Amino acid sequence: DGGITQSPKYLFRKEGQNVTLSCEQNLNHDAMYWYRQDPGQGLRLIYYSQIVNDFQKGDIAEGYSVSREKKESFPLTVTSAQKNPTAFYLCASNSPGQGSYEQYFGPGTRLTVT
Amino acid sequence: AQTVTQSQPEMSVQEAETVTLSCTYDTSENNYYLFWYKQPPSRQMILVIRQEAYKQQNATENRFSVNFQKAAKSFSLKISDSQLGDTAMYFCAFGTLNYGGATNKLIFGTGTLLAVQP
Repeated sequence: DGGITQSPKYLFRKEGQNVTLSCEQNLNHDAMYWYRQDPGQGLRLIYYSQIVNDFQKGDIAEGYSVSREKKESFPLTVTSAQKNPTAFYLCASNSPGQGSYEQYFGPGTRLTVT
Repeated sequence: AQTVTQSQPEMSVQEAETVTLSCTYDTSENNYYLFWYKQPPSRQMILVIRQEAYKQQNATENRFSVNFQKAAKSFSLKISDSQLGDTAMYFCAFGTLNYGGATNKLIFGTGTLLAVQP
């Protein structure tokens, strides 16, 4: 089955620690995205990437970092510099250059930092 | 700046009835895409329907249809014959192409929580 996987589903960390969220897709999509979802708010874009080894900041990139070493993978690191890291994180992918404009989402990771 | 507004935080509908969710957006772009996504309690984001701005015909997908009014920048979702499984948070999203069409950034509204009552 083609799709997007995110692991783990729930993640707990102590304040001051960096944590990396995994996102893998086997849809052969070129573009990948990371969003953050907080209660009462819509999704906000953190980072996105259109090709391997290239990525751009979204609207709320501060305190986050990403890499895109493989087409299938787009991990997100939440650093200790992120002031409010507790949230639900969603990864998405698509290929607008091939007419796939809608974004397909993974199941999400709930991160709790205490 | 582009914005998406969903003015109905919560709505309720009886099973088998019809409900309309509202969405307005603000942009100076002429070419863009609009989407409705559904997020059930599992929190998986599921595409419901999409509309290309250059198409005048309103999109339909089975029981779901949109009323796209480009001049008014309005994009409402109509759910006919509501079912219990339609209970979810619904997000309206706006997207434009960038980086030569290689990516499209989506801007989401704050969502409408729809409860379908038996």
